[in-house]
Amino acid sequence: EDQVTQSPEALRLQEGESSSLNCSYTVSGLRGLFWYRQDPGKGPEFLFTLYSAGEEKEKERLKATLTKKESFLHITAPKPEDSATYLCAVARNSGYALNFGKGTSLLVTP
Amino acid sequence: DVKVTQSSRYLVKRTGEKVFLECVQDMDHENMFWYRQDPGLGLRLIYFSYDVKMKEKGDIPEGYSVSREKKERFSLILESASTNQTSMYLCASSLVGGIQYEQYFGPGTRLTVT
Repeated sequence: EDQVTQSPEALRLQEGESSSLNCSYTVSGLRGLFWYRQDPGKGPEFLFTLYSAGEEKEKERLKATLTKKESFLHITAPKPEDSATYLCAVARNSGYALNFGKGTSLLVTP
Repeated sequence: DVKVTQSSRYLVKRTGEKVFLECVQDMDHENMFWYRQDPGLGLRLIYFSYDVKMKEKGDIPEGYSVSREKKERFSLILESASTNQTSMYLCASSLVGGIQYEQYFGPGTRLTVT
């Protein structure tokens, strides 16, 4: 069964303190790995799609990377406005649905 | 920009009531999805639709039904609401072909069943 595990569950950083979030996955034949940001009480906001090992995508202070077993979301010099829950998901083997991890709750303090 | 809208941000219903949640997308996406999100359980797929009048059960379809009469609109129906259906409900849509699988979400409906 496809599985997505995110770690840590929660992360607290000082403003400017860079770190990484991890997403481990088990799926036969990856058809896409997705990162979303979710603010409290809102729907997830799409960030990145990665399709193959070695691929990297960047957006402002965020950089997503992919290996054959995991993905990392690197946050460089974070700001308080980066505080949110970050969700990772993989495309299922059949159909168009996604399997989501439970997320990492990030808090960046001034 | 893709826009997915949901009919209500907050909804309070009584046990046993029939509840309709509506979702509309404006990007001509073929696929539409309904998830619920609960603390500690993450997002779980209830139903999805890949075309008008077509639907498939997700992981937790019990107690729910769906309707898709027009391409842009996907409704989730709680036939007889129960307290364990109190949750955040999220609608999403995606393309078939091109950059498929990328799902775009609406703002969510926080449903409370009392």
